[in-house]
Amino acid sequence: GQQLNQSPQSMFIQEGEDVSMNCTSSSIFNTWLWYKQDPGEGPVLLIALYKAGELTSNGRLTAQFGITRKDSFLNISASIPSDVGIYFCAGTNYGGATNKLIFGTGTLLAVQP
Amino acid sequence: DGGITQSPKYLFRKEGQNVTLSCEQNLNHDAMYWYRQDPGQGLRLIYYSQIVNDFQKGDIAEGYSVSREKKESFPLTVTSAQKNPTAFYLCASSIVRGRSTDTQYFGPGTRLTVL
Repeated sequence: GQQLNQSPQSMFIQEGEDVSMNCTSSSIFNTWLWYKQDPGEGPVLLIALYKAGELTSNGRLTAQFGITRKDSFLNISASIPSDVGIYFCAGTNYGGATNKLIFGTGTLLAVQP
Repeated sequence: DGGITQSPKYLFRKEGQNVTLSCEQNLNHDAMYWYRQDPGQGLRLIYYSQIVNDFQKGDIAEGYSVSREKKESFPLTVTSAQKNPTAFYLCASSIVRGRSTDTQYFGPGTRLTVL
């Protein structure tokens, strides 16, 4: 099955630094989602994007739906230790005959206090 | 409290044995999903169901079976035919609007280890 290209694979940063990660697809989506997964837990939805060019924030997190509809970006500002985890992007086409989520391979974020 | 529960959290089985993983939701969601997660990989869809008594194969259905007899329950059986069953299994659910499914919400997962 298709998987999205997510980069970087991992990031090791100092507390207080800003973080950027992105996700690219070979096909177009009408919805992009960003999830965070803590170790040994299920993913939790962070941000949902429904329109090309849309920029949405959730606290220190900001995500953008790429204008080409083939990519999305997630930024975390002023990182803190509890930001540690794996971040997944997911794309889908709601309203189609099959609207399964396609997931990225994940970005592992480690934050050093 | 509304949510998705998966049990048990950790499961150990001997090779060759079938094992059933539980997933229950009280969110009144129509659609439910099973994913498998391996280290360094994203989530891969095993089976999904948009309505009671109906389910569809995902990308990696071989060696797995499901049932959907109740709206709130979607158990997954890992059969002895699954060549590499050790993995982290995640259940999810979503509402259905017309033909479309909305955002998926995940349970806490079950880590299955086959010895």
